[in-house]
Amino acid sequence: SQTIHQWPATLVQPVGSPLSLECTVEGTSNPNLYWYRQAAGRGLQLLFYSVGIGQISSEVPQNLSASRPQDRQFILSSKKLLLSDSGFYLCASEWDRGSPLHFGNGTRLTVT
Amino acid sequence: QKEVEQDPGPLSVPEGAIVSLNCTYSNSAFQYFMWYRQYSRKGPELLMYTYSSGNKEDGRFTAQVDKSSKYISLFIRDSQPSDSATYLCAMNTGFQKLVFGTGTRLLVSP
Repeated sequence: SQTIHQWPATLVQPVGSPLSLECTVEGTSNPNLYWYRQAAGRGLQLLFYSVGIGQISSEVPQNLSASRPQDRQFILSSKKLLLSDSGFYLCASEWDRGSPLHFGNGTRLTVT
Repeated sequence: QKEVEQDPGPLSVPEGAIVSLNCTYSNSAFQYFMWYRQYSRKGPELLMYTYSSGNKEDGRFTAQVDKSSKYISLFIRDSQPSDSATYLCAMNTGFQKLVFGTGTRLLVSP
């Protein structure tokens, strides 16, 4: 079964600082990988997805970017954080389109 | 109109009650249906995964899909305080990305 590791679990960053959130997946190869943001009462917003190394699709124009340097590694970044970037960031993995999505335990980001 | 509608709750029930959680959807091409449970400050955990119509049972949980009505349900029997969480429905066609409901918060009191 898949295991998704996300770190850090919580993060407090000042406005204008850079961001790097990392996600690694175990138990599967060549998964589809996703970054979601969850705001209170607003559900899950898909930010990025990747079907392979170096292949990133962006769902929402924003202050964030994503990279996939290795098969089972997915990174979410920002050069300069905004207050509106605060939220709960979740990495997710599926072994193939149509198979169930599995989530990590998320990173709670507070931008101050 | 949202593709997937889910009552946000909260839904409050006493321990031992049967709980019914529901989602409606508009896209008749959806084939795969999932229910996730999310505890506070944790990632969503896959509970049930069904393909097409019908029922699927796993312990105290039963997932039901009615494609003719575009309606899915999750039933929890003998609910426990540990079932208190937010429950998210999700679905897709198999060729597109998952579409999620906004979640229903369930509170089971002892």
